[in-house]
This record gives sequence, C-alpha cells and structure tokens, in this order.
Amino acid sequence: GQQLNQSPQSMFIQEGEDVSMNCTSSSIFNTWLWYKQDPGEGPVLLIALYKAGELTSNGRLTAQFGITRKDSFLNISASIPSDVGIYFCAGQLGNNNDMRFGAGTRLTVKP
Amino acid sequence: DSGVTQTPKHLITATGQRVTLRCSPRSGDLSVYWYQQSLDQGLQFLIQYYNGEERAKGNILERFSAQQFPDLHSELNLSSLELGDSALYFCASSKRVTGELFFGEGSRLTVL
Repeated sequence: GQQLNQSPQSMFIQEGEDVSMNCTSSSIFNTWLWYKQDPGEGPVLLIALYKAGELTSNGRLTAQFGITRKDSFLNISASIPSDVGIYFCAGQLGNNNDMRFGAGTRLTVKP
Repeated sequence: DSGVTQTPKHLITATGQRVTLRCSPRSGDLSVYWYQQSLDQGLQFLIQYYNGEERAKGNILERFSAQQFPDLHSELNLSSLELGDSALYFCASSKRVTGELFFGEGSRLTVL
C-alpha cells in the first residue's frame, strides 16, 4: 500500500536548536499535511501543502511539498519546551480519499 | 477545540463485548474518518465516510463496522472485543472528500 516512511523516529534536542524531520513514499501524493499530537489528545493540524514545490510557514514551522510529490519535510526553528510532542506527516493520494499517516517523530526538548 | 466531538472519552469493557463510539463532525464538514492508535503507535486508518456514503476503507477488522447518519454524525461499532482492541480511537472530519482533517480528542477503549 501507500506507506509513508517518517524519520527520524525520535529526537532529543536542546532548547533553541533547529529541528528537521521528513516523510517519504514510493507513491505520489496530492496533499501533504503535518500534525502535532500532545499526550492523550488528538492530533492538531500544523501545516497543509497542496502543490509540488510549495513552501509554507506557520510561525517557527516551515514545511515543503517535495517536487517529486513523494516527500515532504518539516523544520522547526529555535525550539522551545512546548514543542515537545509527536509530529505526524500525512498524505492523501489522488485516486484514494483516505489520509495515510507516518509513524510519527517523537520530539523531546531539553531546557 | 477542533469542533469535533467524540463520546465516550473513556470506556472499559470485557473481552467478547460490543461497544459503540460516537463522533459529531465540525459544523459543515461532510467527511468523517476513523483512526485507531495503539499505545505509542501511529494512526491506523480504519474507514472514511462522505455525506453518508462509505468512500474509503483501511485495515478495518470484520468485527468492526461504521456508518454515517443523515445528520452527519458517525458511529464506530466494535464487537467481539479482544484485548488487542484496546486503543485510542480518533474521529476526524473535513469539509470535502479530500483536504485538511480536524481531529476529536479520541475515545480511549480498554478491554480487560
């Protein structure tokens, strides 16, 4: 199936550092979304990408839709303790309607 | 608050039992998705409905079923429950068939 490979699986960084995570697939996606999940809560949408090559920012977050439409990355600049959580990428194919999720990147920020 | 409401928030039941999880989508959203998240795992897509009709199916077990009603709320029925069915079950909604999903807070099911 259209599996999403998200990396890294986990990250331990110092407050103030920049973070980068990515998702790749063997399939072509029409939509890439990035979510953050805090413990015991539902995922919250961070950034949505709809066009190949699109680069979108949301505060300290920046995400890009890969030119090949098979990958996307998320960068977080100047991390702060509240950035702690699990970050998920999600992709939606054109010929299917379901939204598939990566396995998540667990981010820990040390003050 | 995403605007997606899920009930119950917590549910404890025994193996072999049947439960129903309920989801009310955001106002105006026609599409409802169901996901299963086991402990420290990712989100496994179960099923999607759009305006009352099933649109996509993931790895949903035959013991599980779902439907979306005319008022657009959705229910996920889990039967003959097993220990491994213990998980967080999330509902998400979106305006269209494709696009941004907004998640509820989840229903935590514990099967003993």
